[in-house]
Amino acid sequence: DAGVIQSPRHEVTEMGQEVTLRCKPISGHDYLFWYRQTMMRGLELLIYFNNNVPIDDSGMPEDRFSAKMPNASFSTLKIQPSEPRDSAVYFCASRISGIMYNEQFFGPGTRLTVL
Amino acid sequence: AQSVSQHNHHVILSEAASLELGCNYSYGGTVNLFWYVQYPGQHLQLLLKYFSGDPLVKGIKGFEAEFIKSKFSFNLRKPSVQWSDTAEYFCAVSPRGGYNKLIFGAGTRLAVHP
Repeated sequence: DAGVIQSPRHEVTEMGQEVTLRCKPISGHDYLFWYRQTMMRGLELLIYFNNNVPIDDSGMPEDRFSAKMPNASFSTLKIQPSEPRDSAVYFCASRISGIMYNEQFFGPGTRLTVL
Repeated sequence: AQSVSQHNHHVILSEAASLELGCNYSYGGTVNLFWYVQYPGQHLQLLLKYFSGDPLVKGIKGFEAEFIKSKFSFNLRKPSVQWSDTAEYFCAVSPRGGYNKLIFGAGTRLAVHP
């Protein structure tokens, strides 16, 4: 199994530009999570999906952030317009449902730098 | 609201020293507990997990953790650390059942000097 795949691994952009981060969960996993990691705030859950449906987006910072999951094997996190304070590492994670299996598997992350 | 507290933000040890990282959570019900490790420049990887049964859980690379329900604690231990254990360690809790979030602690940065 290839694990959770994220692209790009690194993104450098200028303030005001649109940024799209991509994630492919592990095949068969029905939950997908987006996290943001910064030195100041640590690891924050932004949003998660179950069976492609957003369940909880209370961690999304503001309207500039949006996430979609058009099918079971693909999700995007979009920032428009981007700001320097959005600079962080963004992780995607997935898991399979069931009480005994709520271990999440993380992708390698996308390091975003907004200049 | 549920929360996870990791008391040590930075720990510096010499090789062969013993390690114990504290983790306390606040939640009154049944929980699943996890320790994740993040090596420099890498993603989070699961070290060990507790669901039920023996409260002393053994994980990879010689790590273990003990769940003490009365203290709401899940401390991570290793009897003898190595330079390669230099990493950030995250404790996480997930209430049992349909609630699916992992609540992470702030993390503890461990530096092991040779």
